[in-house]
Amino acid sequence: KNEVEQSPQNLTAQEGEFITINCSYSVGISALHWLQQHPGGGIVSLFMLSSGKKKHGRLIATINIQEKHSSLHITASHPRDSAVYICAVGGGGADGLTFGKGTHLIIQP
Amino acid sequence: DTAVSQTPKYLVTQMGNDKSIKCEQNLGHDTMYWYKQDSKKFLKIMFSYNNKELIINETVPNRFSPKSPDKAHLNLHINSLELGDSAVYFCASSQGSGTVSYEQYFGPGTRLTVT
Repeated sequence: KNEVEQSPQNLTAQEGEFITINCSYSVGISALHWLQQHPGGGIVSLFMLSSGKKKHGRLIATINIQEKHSSLHITASHPRDSAVYICAVGGGGADGLTFGKGTHLIIQP
Repeated sequence: DTAVSQTPKYLVTQMGNDKSIKCEQNLGHDTMYWYKQDSKKFLKIMFSYNNKELIINETVPNRFSPKSPDKAHLNLHINSLELGDSAVYFCASSQGSGTVSYEQYFGPGTRLTVT
């Protein structure tokens, strides 16, 4: 069974700062997912990665398959980025996701 | 147009009752899932279905019974509700099967409170 560890668990930063959230997993995977959940809200998929790097607006996700590690970066952070960011891994197909415990991010104005 | 919808959004019920949560996706996906988010916000897979066939059944009490009448629907029926069943239940869907991974699309969640 895959173990997914995220760090930090909580992160408070000032608007404009560069944010990094890390994720490591224990067993080889088909893909890694980064998800976002706003307070009281639903879950939105930000990225799905199996190798390399992806960028969407101010968000960048990278993965190192050999080291079983991924990072989510937010550039020029904004208060609206405040949310829980969740790393999840899947074995492919109809396998469900195995989740990390999430990183609670607060961006202060 | 809502991609993955769930009803109801909130469900408050007493211990011992039986309740159902419905999920529908209009994305044409082959695979649907139920996830449970506990009071500490930790998410865990419960079930997955591919083309109406049960693929994954994690260590979930058999009081929980998923039913997939067709590819677009996956309902969750819970018998004899217990206090520990209180949680947010998320339905999700994705394309395909085999060994390829696809992005998952989540419903808005159903907050179940058992009193």
